Amino acid sequence: NAGVTQTPKFQVLKTGQSMTLQCAQDMNHNSMYWYRQDPGMGLRLIYYSASEGTTDKGEVPNGYNVSRLNKREFSLRLESAAPSQTSVYFCASSEGSQTEAFFGQGTRLTVV
Amino acid sequence: GQQLNQSPQSMFIQEGEDVSMNCTSSSIFNTWLWYKQDPGEGPVLLIALYKAGELTSNGRLTAQFGITRKDSFLNISASIPSDVGIYFCAGRGTGGFKTIFGAGTRLFVKA
Repeated sequence: NAGVTQTPKFQVLKTGQSMTLQCAQDMNHNSMYWYRQDPGMGLRLIYYSASEGTTDKGEVPNGYNVSRLNKREFSLRLESAAPSQTSVYFCASSEGSQTEAFFGQGTRLTVV
Repeated sequence: GQQLNQSPQSMFIQEGEDVSMNCTSSSIFNTWLWYKQDPGEGPVLLIALYKAGELTSNGRLTAQFGITRKDSFLNISASIPSDVGIYFCAGRGTGGFKTIFGAGTRLFVKA
């Protein structure tokens, strides 16, 4: 049972490049989330998907798009990467809004 | 937006000592959560609190949901080297999906 799997684990982009971070969960969870973690700060919610077919903005959505491809997969896309998007990105999933969230191992992204 | 103030930012303690950290908020939460993050890993839930005044233990860890619903604390008793990591508090309101995280307490344990 892998839980929440994120790919890639590390990525370096040049300013203006685009990329998609992939996330998959095998726990049959309804809800999925994307967070970013910056030094000295807590995790901040970028986007979430309450259930398959729905997505909503979190605290810091600007510069990102998401796709809930199916119940298992939730991807995060950077259309035109900026240095301010250098961060560690975490995907998480939960059964619903009031239940425990399980996190992936993170993707460390550097934009130069 | 909502913010959580978590303190202390870091702690350096000797193995065997007890540890206490806390979180305060200007907003009321319905749920308080405590997570631990090891280097290179995602956060892992330690304790979840759902009622004001609730006191919950998980092994050597004890956490409480403040009566005002605006604060929570986490205690670790008899610390060991594997307690090293970053501890995050998180609060969740009625909206449910938008969990707010504190900045974390970085714990160092000297053997």
